[in-house]
Amino acid sequence: GIQVEQSPPDLILQEGANSTLRCNFSDSVNNLQWFHQNPWGQLINLFYIPSGTKQNGRLSATTVATERYSLLYISSSQTTDSGVYFCAVGWGGSEKLVFGKGTKLTVNP
Amino acid sequence: DAGVIQSPRHEVTEMGQEVTLRCKPISGHDYLFWYRQTMMRGLELLIYFNNNVPIDDSGMPEDRFSAKMPNASFSTLKIQPSEPRDSAVYFCASTVVAGYTFGSGTRLTVV
Repeated sequence: GIQVEQSPPDLILQEGANSTLRCNFSDSVNNLQWFHQNPWGQLINLFYIPSGTKQNGRLSATTVATERYSLLYISSSQTTDSGVYFCAVGWGGSEKLVFGKGTKLTVNP
Repeated sequence: DAGVIQSPRHEVTEMGQEVTLRCKPISGHDYLFWYRQTMMRGLELLIYFNNNVPIDDSGMPEDRFSAKMPNASFSTLKIQPSEPRDSAVYFCASTVVAGYTFGSGTRLTVV
């Protein structure tokens, strides 16, 4: 099956700093989503981005499907950005997603 | 819309008991997914439905697990008999074309 690798596994920032999270995948995908799991366990969909670039406030994402990676940018980080960020991919026309192991982000005040 | 609704939020049960988890997807979403999250295995897909029909149940760990979707607004995941290794957070998610919406999850503890 498809492999999804996220880096870094852990990231600690001071409030106000910028960061880039990376997701590499091993095969062509037809679906790629980024999620944020907050400290209370809720999974929030950030982006549906199988290709191209999208922005939503301080967050943006870019997927380069031909090179099999996606990047999530967080600018001017806030303590509420803390949690685990997951990349998930779908392939072969299926709607199911395979999740990476996540990047745990801690933003200190 | 109230989002994807799961119940119960927490369940503590004794080994050998039957456990039923429930999910109400977002109205109009024709895909429903059941995921399990553990520290060791992360988020793994158990089964998913399209228009109430099971499409892929290859992630269901063994015969003790079963899932049904009797109509477009309700699905259940049943574990019988439960074992301590089933302890995890079980998430339900739904989608129509793009972008999953997850429920709040059910934290299951089997003692």
